[in-house]
Amino acid sequence: LAKTTQPISMDSYEGQEVNITCSHNNIATNDYITWYQQFPSQGPRFIIQGYKTKVTNEVASLFIPADRKSSTLSLPRVSLSDTAVYYCLVNSGGYQKVTFGIGTKLQVIP
Amino acid sequence: DAEITQSPRHKITETGRQVTLACHQTWNHNNMFWYRQDLGHGLRLIHYSYGVHDTNKGEVSDGYSVSRSNTEDLPLTLESAASSQTSVYFCASSLTGADEQYFGPGTRLTVT
Repeated sequence: LAKTTQPISMDSYEGQEVNITCSHNNIATNDYITWYQQFPSQGPRFIIQGYKTKVTNEVASLFIPADRKSSTLSLPRVSLSDTAVYYCLVNSGGYQKVTFGIGTKLQVIP
Repeated sequence: DAEITQSPRHKITETGRQVTLACHQTWNHNNMFWYRQDLGHGLRLIHYSYGVHDTNKGEVSDGYSVSRSNTEDLPLTLESAASSQTSVYFCASSLTGADEQYFGPGTRLTVT
């Protein structure tokens, strides 16, 4: 399993763009990169998934460089409601045992 | 709407008792997972299943068992509850390996 490393915590002011970087040096050819968000007392929720280059949806963008050894989750103009823990995962289509790790605790400040 | 539910949401039990946590999904997903979440450890995989009658051990499976008799349900059993098993338990499901996992609301278990 590819191991991921991400910052334990980050602070940001409301309205700013937040970038959370995850390193996954041992990513395999058929691995996807997936990000989840977890609010207190709730289960994690899928945010975005990508394989290479850039993926964007209504919530976030995911940037993946050519070597795929890292990825960056970008949250545009965060609000207080974006305060949560964000998990970076690496998993392949045929191998479903993923590791969530501790995640990055994002605190948005008014 | 399809959903994934867990019951009970809160449970207090005594050391040595057998406890079963229920997980039910109406997504018709093949894959189901059980995680536990503790401070400082994130989410750790206990058991998972790729389909009916299939079960596999995760990274923290000791003291836990699961069985999959149908697509919708994956109950988690603590054979003899220990205080170290006090935790929040999440069930999840996904259609295929690369697909997103849908999580239930969690069960907070306290073993006294």
